[in-house]
Amino acid sequence: LLTQPPSVSGAPGQRVTISCTGASSNIGAGFHVHWYQQLPGAAPKVVIYENSKRPAGVPDRFAGSKSGTSASLAIAGLQPDDEAHYYCQSYDRGLSGWAFGGGTQLTVL
Amino acid sequence: QVHLQESGPGLVRPSETLSLTCTVSGGSISGSTRFYWGWVRQPPGKGLEWVASVYYSGTSYNNPALRSRVVVSADTSKNQFSLNLASVTAADTAVYFCARHSVVVSATPLYDSWGQGTLVTVSS
Repeated sequence: LLTQPPSVSGAPGQRVTISCTGASSNIGAGFHVHWYQQLPGAAPKVVIYENSKRPAGVPDRFAGSKSGTSASLAIAGLQPDDEAHYYCQSYDRGLSGWAFGGGTQLTVL
Repeated sequence: QVHLQESGPGLVRPSETLSLTCTVSGGSISGSTRFYWGWVRQPPGKGLEWVASVYYSGTSYNNPALRSRVVVSADTSKNQFSLNLASVTAADTAVYFCARHSVVVSATPLYDSWGQGTLVTVSS
């Protein structure tokens, strides 16, 4: 339902973007997208909610956007601690429930 | 700050029922009318999958892919909620997280608190 690239990478200080491609039944229908960061061996933690809002404590290096049937998470000024898996999430009309994207492994070179 | 902790067997035999409990501390599940309490699982090396969610009153939502096998319930007297997944196979092997999410109607709920997760292996 939600497609993410399996992996992205960037050098420290660089900017990377992770895409989340959906459909007219989920992102394209106007449902919010949330983004979660999962460090190795840990539970997920929200880094962006409602497409572009940052929870308290999440640096402004993290930014979310949505357009049409897709959403994106951009991380600027990459740091080693950003190395993690990132997942998007959205409600889907056809599912009558919500789904997560397949996840993207971010590697900081 | 609410804290969630999963408990239950780490090994379940094929065709049997997987049973997990999540104990909530630092807040009452019946006092949190803005939240649902749910389960998300993650097979080894794979992504996240919504399993089911329950409101303190007992109202629940299940992933349609699992609907006929899943039962979730809430016990407000113990401040716990539980997951029962019947007729398990190796494909149900996963880390199971309990988590809290916002109350929404036909919208994307936000998971804001998570347990640490517990690995359940289905094997004979």
